[in-house]
Amino acid sequence: DADVTQTPRNRITKTGKRIMLECSQTKGHDRMYWYRQDPGLGLRLIYYSFDVKDINKGEISDGYSVSRQAQAKFSLSLESAIPNQTALYFCATSDGGLAGVSEQFFGPGTRLTVL
Amino acid sequence: RKEVEQDPGPFNVPEGATVAFNCTYSNSASQSFFWYRQDCRKEPKLLMSVYSSGNEDGRFTAQLNRASQYISLLIRDSKLSDSATYLCVVNENTNAGKSTFGDGTTLTVKP
Repeated sequence: DADVTQTPRNRITKTGKRIMLECSQTKGHDRMYWYRQDPGLGLRLIYYSFDVKDINKGEISDGYSVSRQAQAKFSLSLESAIPNQTALYFCATSDGGLAGVSEQFFGPGTRLTVL
Repeated sequence: RKEVEQDPGPFNVPEGATVAFNCTYSNSASQSFFWYRQDCRKEPKLLMSVYSSGNEDGRFTAQLNRASQYISLLIRDSKLSDSATYLCVVNENTNAGKSTFGDGTTLTVKP
């Protein structure tokens, strides 16, 4: 079984709808992240969480919210989806490591299309 | 200016070629550096960390130049299976542990 799973894998929705993307991990990591990737671009950080009680905005948090329901679960919500939120969304985890940085492990991604 | 910039590519090389990618970063306080590999429409996976002394893993060599604020990835004897997008990743030197990704350089190795 995959260590980091995301649901759904693909979603098509309409403008104005509320959407939730879910991420679960079995790696036992404290740190979880949500990124989006647009064609030809790198990953941009939306939100990150270092433990259940810690939530931080990334560089592009507007229009998104998150919930860390448990150490293993981190969900991303689009309160009112708009077409420019069409992208590939990745969840990732890490254990922090030395100086707070270490390898990140990614889920398979959720492809979201907003019409 | 982007915090992390990579060669735009794409790089199209024949099998067996040597190819090098460069990546520059703007935050002089950055302390850890990585190369990730991303296959088409799939999740990124760690290829290798980049250490100050440079490091090698088989056909792959990564180097860091702190004075000039760039890192490089050298691939020798390219294989068809090396075709992918290579992402440069730079982390802040804080306990924030946030990563900044470059836009990636696409490599296509042809027979």
